[in-house]
Amino acid sequence: EPEVTQTPSHQVTQMGQEVILRCVPISNHLYFYWYRQILGQKVEFLVSFYNNEISEKSEIFDDQFSVERPDGSNFTLKIRSTKLEDSAMYFCASSEPGDLRVTNEKLFFGSGTQLSVL
Amino acid sequence: KNQVEQSPQSLIILEGKNCTLQCNYTVSPFSNLRWYKQDTGRGPVSLTIMTFSENTKSNGRYTATLDADTKQSSLHITASQLSDSASYICVVSAGTSDYKLSFGAGTTVTVRA
Repeated sequence: EPEVTQTPSHQVTQMGQEVILRCVPISNHLYFYWYRQILGQKVEFLVSFYNNEISEKSEIFDDQFSVERPDGSNFTLKIRSTKLEDSAMYFCASSEPGDLRVTNEKLFFGSGTQLSVL
Repeated sequence: KNQVEQSPQSLIILEGKNCTLQCNYTVSPFSNLRWYKQDTGRGPVSLTIMTFSENTKSNGRYTATLDADTKQSSLHITASQLSDSASYICVVSAGTSDYKLSFGAGTTVTVRA
């Protein structure tokens, strides 16, 4: 079965450094998402992306965050100046043509990148 | 505020036994409800998706129910296996312009031999 792949699986960085988390969504999917999960907490929505632009973003997704689809396969999340509270598991997800308000649109998650900010 | 509450927080069952997980939500307007299985250190994997018109949906040994009137859902695991040990997350989609999903905190199921 096709899957969403994320790299790296673990990333350790110093506070204030920039990090880029990389994702390769499923090839025929058109909607892309980033979520995060702080240890022991709920999964939280960060941002959705469609047609080369942000469709929706949460209050977490401030000016320190940006997303990009630099080519036809990769989808990246950049954190410009990391803070301690950015430490979390970051999940990339993608869905088939259609959006999550429509019934039966399956959302496929990657295995996540564990980001540790020291 | 859209909220999804799950119970119990965790449970332990013996292999071969059944269990039922609960989900209550206040998401409005409601679009669909999803149950996901999340293994430790992995991304969530979709088990079922239900709209307001669907009462029951099965996926192998997993059966989800939905009561849109009371805004409750359950996930029943039949004849549990060791591989069922995971966190089960209830996720609700609102029928608005948002693309956001509201996630529950999950129920951690541990199946013991």
